[in-house]
Formats: sequence, C-alpha cells, structure tokens
Amino acid sequence: QQQVKQSPQSLIVQKGGISIINCAYENTAFDYFPWYQQFPGKGPALLIAIRPDVSEKKEGRFTISFNKSAKQFSLHIMDSQPGDSATYFCAAGENNDMRFGAGTRLTVKP
Amino acid sequence: NAGVMQNPRHLVRRRGQEARLRCSPMKGHSHVYWYRQLPEEGLKFMVYLQKENIIDESGMPKERFSAEFPKEGPSILRIQQVVRGDSAAYFCASSPRHTAGETQYFGPGTRLLVL
Repeated sequence: QQQVKQSPQSLIVQKGGISIINCAYENTAFDYFPWYQQFPGKGPALLIAIRPDVSEKKEGRFTISFNKSAKQFSLHIMDSQPGDSATYFCAAGENNDMRFGAGTRLTVKP
Repeated sequence: NAGVMQNPRHLVRRRGQEARLRCSPMKGHSHVYWYRQLPEEGLKFMVYLQKENIIDESGMPKERFSAEFPKEGPSILRIQQVVRGDSAAYFCASSPRHTAGETQYFGPGTRLLVL
C-alpha cells in the first residue's frame, strides 16, 4: 500500500527556473512532512520539513507548501542551480514512523 | 560528532550466502530504522529498533531477514540465504527520540549485490 505518492518521477529544469515536486498522502494522522535530498552514492539528507499547523515554510531557495484539506504538500526550489541536481524524496509520518515517496530525479541544466 | 556510520559500503555475495550489514547510530541516538532502496525506487521501511528491542518490523520480509540492536555495539541487519532480488541499497537512520517531528539522520548506505 503506497501511503505517499510523489510526482513527477523525473524533472528537468533550466538554471534559474523553479522546480516543483508534489506529494500526496492518505493518512490524516500524519503529523510531520520532511523532504530529503539524495546525491548519487550518498544517503538521504534532510532538506526542509513542515508540521501541519502551518501552510508554508521557507528556507533560502527552498519552500514547502502544505494543503491539509487536500492532503498534499509540495517542494519549490527557486532559482534552481546545477548543484541542486539530485533525487528528492518527500516523506510523511506519525510519531516518527516515516513513509517515503518514490523520489523525483531533478536535473538542472546550465 | 560523527554521523550515522554504515559498513561495509559495498557487499558482494553469491546466492545462498549470508549478508551482515552494520549500522552505528549517531552518538546519543537510541532509535534505529532500516530502509531498503531498490534502483529507481524510493525508500521502503523495513524495521525500527530501540536498544535491545524490535519495535516495528512490519516492513521486513518474514523469512531470511532479521535485525538486532544490542545494548553494546552496532545494529545489525542480517539476510540469510541471499537471492538476486535482495540486491539493493540498504540505509539505516537514527534519531534521538521516536516522537513527532524528530529528524531521522541517514547513513551512507550499504550497497548489496547478489551474484
């Protein structure tokens, strides 16, 4: 049972553009929504996270938008750079029981 | 403060052999999670352990797979009689608490190849 659905599977963006990755979840009890960034050959690293009591969180060029009623959340990368090229995973969980999306492979072209 | 450590980083086994994957959590972390990542796929939860206890093994195959987190030493994920389908990257993560909003810190993974 896939509890977190992530799209798109892959994304190509020009340098300076906006990258948008979407996730949807099913379990209304989920209370923590992190995004992880993974480079080839490395483990996932926490990028940014949000709790359901806010609708948006911004850290530098990275923003999470959260829609509780729709059970959806998204990651926006502003002014995308070639160094942002990586695989991004959304996750959702309750009491730290995390379930991950399938990942989005982002390529930022120079 | 060292991060989560996993070894070996790469492991090659022939079908039928045993694979042992080790994970040392971050200092002060007593909660360990194991995930499996197949090529082009996301992270699949396998098992959650706290020191000396398996808390949730709902994601672990019923046969051939086992995990432990002893009082002393690293957490071990053990795969007996490996098959080609076990080839994947196995990641462990650790956290200081098992509560909402607590970040899980991932290790670099062990890439298992079964010939």
